[in-house]
Amino acid sequence: KAGVTQTPRYLIKTRGQQVTLSCSPISGHRSVSWYQQTPGQGLQFLFEYFSETQRNKGNFPGRFSGRQFSNSRSEMNVSTLELGDSALYLCASSLEASNTEAFFGQGTRLTVV
Amino acid sequence: AQKVTQAQTEISVVEKEDVTLDCVYETRDTTYYLFWYKQPPSGELVFLIRRNSFDEQNEISGRYSWNFQKSTSSFNFTITASQVVDSAVYFCALSEPGNEKLTFGTGTRLTIIP
Repeated sequence: KAGVTQTPRYLIKTRGQQVTLSCSPISGHRSVSWYQQTPGQGLQFLFEYFSETQRNKGNFPGRFSGRQFSNSRSEMNVSTLELGDSALYLCASSLEASNTEAFFGQGTRLTVV
Repeated sequence: AQKVTQAQTEISVVEKEDVTLDCVYETRDTTYYLFWYKQPPSGELVFLIRRNSFDEQNEISGRYSWNFQKSTSSFNFTITASQVVDSAVYFCALSEPGNEKLTFGTGTRLTIIP
């Protein structure tokens, strides 16, 4: 059974640009969550999608957005990139939205220069 | 608000020693879930255990064991007879019922010295 797949694995972008990250959850999983990991702030929750609906959102500015498709694949978008957006972005998938164990992908490492 | 504290930033032990990673949590909910994840250098978080607040039984899985004590709001993780492959960053996390959001601690970097 394939795990959570995140693409791309690495990205370098320039300040002011926008970026789209992709996450394919484990087959059959309907909940997808996104986290940002930085050395200073640690792991912080961005948002969670279940059946194409955003169910929960963390304390991030509106430049961070996401969506989920009918096949449960999810994308997150960051517009007007800032240097502080440099981070490892992790996607997690869960079978149901009921605190079951979340399975994480290897992440996308975004560097903003 | 939920909070998870992992006071140990880094721990180094010699291979085959036992090591305990501490986790203290804060929540106003009476029902909640606690997790431990391992993050190897490759980056992905590997699920280790999930515990709900009504189950205080300690759990053992091979060399791993977990001690959950509601009285002290702690959920500690012990590795027995540590191995080099156990070297990683370990995260404790907390979630509310019906909410997939995980609140993570800052992590403990464990280094096993051969």
